[in-house]
Amino acid sequence: AQSVAQPEDQVNVAEGNPLTVKCTYSVSGNPYLFWYVQYPNRGLQFLLKYITGDNLVKGSYGFEAEFNKSQTSFHLKKPSALVSDSALYFCAVRDIGAAGNKLTFGGGTRVLVKP
Amino acid sequence: GAGVSQSPSNKVTEKGKDVELRCDPISGHTALYWYRQSLGQGLEFLIYFQGNSAPDKSGLPSDRFSAERTGGSVSTLTIQRTQQEDSAVYLCASSPVQRGDTQYFGPGTRLTVL
Repeated sequence: AQSVAQPEDQVNVAEGNPLTVKCTYSVSGNPYLFWYVQYPNRGLQFLLKYITGDNLVKGSYGFEAEFNKSQTSFHLKKPSALVSDSALYFCAVRDIGAAGNKLTFGGGTRVLVKP
Repeated sequence: GAGVSQSPSNKVTEKGKDVELRCDPISGHTALYWYRQSLGQGLEFLIYFQGNSAPDKSGLPSDRFSAERTGGSVSTLTIQRTQQEDSAVYLCASSPVQRGDTQYFGPGTRLTVL
């Protein structure tokens, strides 16, 4: 079975400060890991993914995430947050060894960036 | 190019009625997925189609839910005898064939069952 935990329901940060959204995962094998962002009344928008290779993954809009196998984490980071980054963020995992291609999502973390 | 499209964007129905939700995937994507997003359950996988293979229906919550994909492209999710707990946003996604490929999501259909 595969699972994802996002321990924070909400993260508040001042504009210009660093932003971190936490994600830990559990799979029986090796993971594919994804981050998506959802703006109000919109679908999920892909930010970045880890498949293999460098543990530090760079994605859209200045976001990056670091894969840490020993801590089974894939935290999303942005060095300097913008008010427009306020949205709902989802971490997702897929077990490489599992049959099928379904993603398992975390519960989501709402990010509020204050001016 | 065009992304995943879904229709209708909103659907209000009465308890007991049947509804059909439509998804048009990105052209050339062979894999198509349905997920449900609800307040109590978060984002849940429903069903997955890959080419001509038998679909993975492991996420469908009851036999009132079914889906088909015609001609390897458009998909329809049907909910029979809707219940209030079916109220949610139904999201469709598509991806190319490789297992590591990104799933691209449509805007969703918001279903409200009165």
